[in-house]
Amino acid sequence: DGGITQSPKYLFRKEGQNVTLSCEQNLNHDAMYWYRQDPGQGLRLIYYSQIVNDFQKGDIAEGYSVSREKKESFPLTVTSAQKNPTAFYLCASSIGQRQYFGPGTRLTVT
Amino acid sequence: EDKVVQSPLSLVVHEGDTVTLNCSYEVTNFRSLLWYKQEKKAPTFLFMLTSSGIEKKSGRLSSILDKKELFSILNITATQTGDSAVYLCAVARMEYGNKLVFGAGTILRVKS
Repeated sequence: DGGITQSPKYLFRKEGQNVTLSCEQNLNHDAMYWYRQDPGQGLRLIYYSQIVNDFQKGDIAEGYSVSREKKESFPLTVTSAQKNPTAFYLCASSIGQRQYFGPGTRLTVT
Repeated sequence: EDKVVQSPLSLVVHEGDTVTLNCSYEVTNFRSLLWYKQEKKAPTFLFMLTSSGIEKKSGRLSSILDKKELFSILNITATQTGDSAVYLCAVARMEYGNKLVFGAGTILRVKS
């Protein structure tokens, strides 16, 4: 059963703590992406990776970090430097222009 | 700055109505326009449009692109409560990374 999995579905953290969101895909896609979704703002690109061991900043990379050590995995770390981390985070992978999305992680930081 | 604007922001209709969702864009190096449906979590793919004037259809949904006027519409006929969702429009540019620029979405609610 091919697809993209994200874990956990819900995550609660205290301010000042780093947190890592998991994203795994078994679609054999080279490209992977992380987005943040806030109410009324659509999806905004945080980081993307076209190939293993390489990744680029998106439009809102400040306060986030990623790694791409394996083709199927693209974890996102939300650091304490991110000023407003509470949001819905979506991971995607693609072949060509069409992107396939995971179910998302809702992060709440208090 | 590249931008994708969707209208209306939200819409409430009754079952059986026909709706038209709009997406206009100002994006450099346009490659394609994509529509997604987001019900609760993962956006699911609906259409990808690359050429003007060619309508894409899938059941009660259809979409068309106008590259001269820089917009696309998504039509849903005979709406059902299951069509209630956020509809996202995104534009792909001809550049490394196949990045998408998303609009804010249109929230559609279909009442029974």
